[in-house]
Amino acid sequence: QQQVKQSPQSLIVQKGGISIINCAYENTAFDYFPWYQQFPGKGPALLIAIRPDVSEKKEGRFTISFNKSAKQFSLHIMDSQPGDSATYFCAAVNAGNNRKLIWGLGTSLAVNP
Amino acid sequence: EAGVVQSPRYKIIEKKQPVAFWCNPISGHNTLYWYRQNLGQGPELLIRYENEEAVDDSQLPKDRFSAERLKGVDSTLKIQPAELGDSAVYLCASSLVFEGQYTGELFFGEGSRLTVL
Repeated sequence: QQQVKQSPQSLIVQKGGISIINCAYENTAFDYFPWYQQFPGKGPALLIAIRPDVSEKKEGRFTISFNKSAKQFSLHIMDSQPGDSATYFCAAVNAGNNRKLIWGLGTSLAVNP
Repeated sequence: EAGVVQSPRYKIIEKKQPVAFWCNPISGHNTLYWYRQNLGQGPELLIRYENEEAVDDSQLPKDRFSAERLKGVDSTLKIQPAELGDSAVYLCASSLVFEGQYTGELFFGEGSRLTVL
């Protein structure tokens, strides 16, 4: 059972465009939603994260939008750059309880120059 | 500050042979994870340690996989005997749980790529 559903599976964006990746979850006990970025041959690295008490968090060109009622959250990459080409994973966890991170299946992003 | 260190980076073995992977987490991190990642997929948790205790090993194939974290620092993941389907990248990660509060960030090593022939 996939508890965190991520889409699209792959995404191609032109340089300067906006990349949008969406995730949906079922478990309302989740209270922490991180996004990880993974380059080929490397381990995932935390990019940005949000807790459900806020609807949006922005760090530079990266923004998480969070809709608690719809149980959805999304990553927006503004002014996408070729260096953003990577695989992005959303995840969710009940940080106060079992602390088991549940991962989406990933989105492979390619930003064309 | 040194990151999570894993070795070896690459390992090629014949099926039925044993293999071991080593992980040194970030200093002070009390929680350690072993993940398996197949090509084009997300990480799959194998085992999670808090200090020396394995608090979640429900996804560890215990017939052939074993792990240990002696003294609550370094960890070793072993596969014996390896099967063709074990070919994957084995990722180690660490995090800090402070006074029961999860900080929410996992720090990953670069992984150990296993090829079983």
